[in-house]
Amino acid sequence: AQSVAQPEDQVNVAEGNPLTVKCTYSVSGNPYLFWYVQYPNRGLQFLLKYITGDNLVKGSYGFEAEFNKSQTSFHLKKPSALVSDSALYFCAVRGSQGNLIFGKGTKLSVKP
Amino acid sequence: GAGVSQSPSNKVTEKGKDVELRCDPISGHTALYWYRQSLGQGLEFLIYFQGNSAPDKSGLPSDRFSAERTGGSVSTLTIQRTQQEDSAVYLCASSFILGLDEQYFGPGTRLTVT
Repeated sequence: AQSVAQPEDQVNVAEGNPLTVKCTYSVSGNPYLFWYVQYPNRGLQFLLKYITGDNLVKGSYGFEAEFNKSQTSFHLKKPSALVSDSALYFCAVRGSQGNLIFGKGTKLSVKP
Repeated sequence: GAGVSQSPSNKVTEKGKDVELRCDPISGHTALYWYRQSLGQGLEFLIYFQGNSAPDKSGLPSDRFSAERTGGSVSTLTIQRTQQEDSAVYLCASSFILGLDEQYFGPGTRLTVT
């Protein structure tokens, strides 16, 4: 069965520093991987996806993610964090019904 | 353009009452999904529609839950005889093609069962 794990409940970063939010996956076959962000009292917003092709995927708001097949990871990164990046981040993998299977989420806190 | 909309945004109901939640997907999106978000369970997938058809209802938490979609557009999620454990935020999403495209989420309906 497909699953994703986000090992960190919370990540704290100083504004201007690089950030990484970790995600590992377990799938049978080729993975379709996604990152979403959720701001307080808002729905989920799509950031980026990996279907096939380049291992480095660029997405919205300056975020990128690196697909690593050997480590079964899909970590989310940004070179320079902003206070406005503070939110809840979800990694997801496509399930057998075309649905998304989400990780537990990682709370990102960026301090000035 | 217009995104996914859901109504109501908030619903407080008494235990045992029925509730109906509505989702308006993005125009032209053939696939529609329902999820539930709660503190204890995280984000759970409930059901999907391809057009008006829901081939697999096994993700629905109990037989008190049902969903339908008409005209390949609007969908309703109905919960009968609500229980306190049904309290959660119910999220709807749509995508152009089932399983291949990113899903666009609505703002959700916060359901509180008292």
